[in-house]
Amino acid sequence: DQQVKQNSPSLSVQEGRISILNCDYTNSMFDYFLWYKKYPAEGPTFLISISSIKDKNEDGRFTVFLNKSAKHLSLHIVPSQPGDSAVYFCAASAGYGGSQGNLIFGKGTKLSVKP
Amino acid sequence: EAGVAQSPRYKIIEKRQSVAFWCNPISGHATLYWYQQILGQGPKLLIQFQNNGVVDDSQLPKDRFSAERLKGVDSTLKIQPAKLEDSAVYLCASSSTRATGTQYFGPGTRLTVL
Repeated sequence: DQQVKQNSPSLSVQEGRISILNCDYTNSMFDYFLWYKKYPAEGPTFLISISSIKDKNEDGRFTVFLNKSAKHLSLHIVPSQPGDSAVYFCAASAGYGGSQGNLIFGKGTKLSVKP
Repeated sequence: EAGVAQSPRYKIIEKRQSVAFWCNPISGHATLYWYQQILGQGPKLLIQFQNNGVVDDSQLPKDRFSAERLKGVDSTLKIQPAKLEDSAVYLCASSSTRATGTQYFGPGTRLTVL
């Protein structure tokens, strides 16, 4: 049973446009969400996170939106750049600030930004 | 600040052989994680250490996998004997605390079992 789902295996976007990557989760105990970016032959790199007490977090070109009632989060990249081409993983954990911290990952979405 | 180091980067073995992976976390990070990432999937947690103690190994196949973190710094993950389905990338990650959830990953070891 997949607790974190990224239903789009791939996404292609033109340079300069917005990229929107989506993630759904099923476990209502999740209270901390993260996005990681992964280039080939490298480990995942932390990108941005959001706790369940917020509905938006912004860092430069990257914004994460959280809709708790829909159990849905999205990552917006504006403007998209060719260097953003990578696999993006959504991850969630339960017990932020508490005793957990284990991350549950989605399967990833491969983003291709075309010049 | 140096990142998480892992070695080897690549390993090819025959089934039923044994293999070991090494991880050196970011300096000062008390929590260390080992993940298995099968092609086309997201990383799956195998084991979590807090200092040199095991916090969670519920998803570690203990009949063939073992891990240790002596002295609370470096860690090794061993598979003995390996099966074909163990072919994957093994990722090590560390974080300063368990609570923050922000984990920093090493480059991984790609294991191929023939």
